[in-house]
Amino acid sequence: GAVVSQHPSWVICKSGTSVKIECRSLDFQATTMFWYRQFPKQSLMLMATSNEGSKATYEQGVEKDKFLINHASLTLSTLTVTSAHPEDSSFYICSARGKSGQFFGPGTRLTVL
Amino acid sequence: GENVEQHPSTLSVQEGDSAVIKCTYSDSASNYFPWYKQELGKGPQLIIDIRSNVGEKKDQRIAVTLNKTAKHFSLHITETQPEDSAVYFCAASIPNTGNQFYFGTGTSLTVIP
Repeated sequence: GAVVSQHPSWVICKSGTSVKIECRSLDFQATTMFWYRQFPKQSLMLMATSNEGSKATYEQGVEKDKFLINHASLTLSTLTVTSAHPEDSSFYICSARGKSGQFFGPGTRLTVL
Repeated sequence: GENVEQHPSTLSVQEGDSAVIKCTYSDSASNYFPWYKQELGKGPQLIIDIRSNVGEKKDQRIAVTLNKTAKHFSLHITETQPEDSAVYFCAASIPNTGNQFYFGTGTSLTVIP
């Protein structure tokens, strides 16, 4: 149990395009989902926290208009990187919190050319 | 906010030896301390956790100890195996703060066969 999936696992896009990443809790309901960003050989940096049905709370320095988060149901959250640029290239990881704990997805590798 | 420090940043041990990773935290209100294992290109996987009302927890070859007075907690891996090689992250969580996790900077563990 407690499986979190992400789609896609990796994506390459051109600069200026938008990319949507999906995060799903497969066998539990996630009241809260978190989005992290991880650069090579660094720790996870929390970008935003979202509760189902409400607006996401963004960490300081994270542009909410650039990183759009939607948490429409208890099992699905999406992160859309709008007008992506090469500096947005990173490993994006979602995490879902349910009754039994907090579990991480496998991550999405985004490369912006 | 909470500040979590983790040491060492890299650790190499011979197969069969023990490995110890230490973390300190700054906010005495933190009450939940998970440890995650992250393999290359994958999301973090919860391996063990401990709550502030417990001083030690063990699961087969993995154990975690918590010293609330000193505000530090440690991960102990005994009889290490090559498949234990990965990056390990500690984290601390403060209740009533949106369940946000504050991560350590990670320890890259290499088990030499």
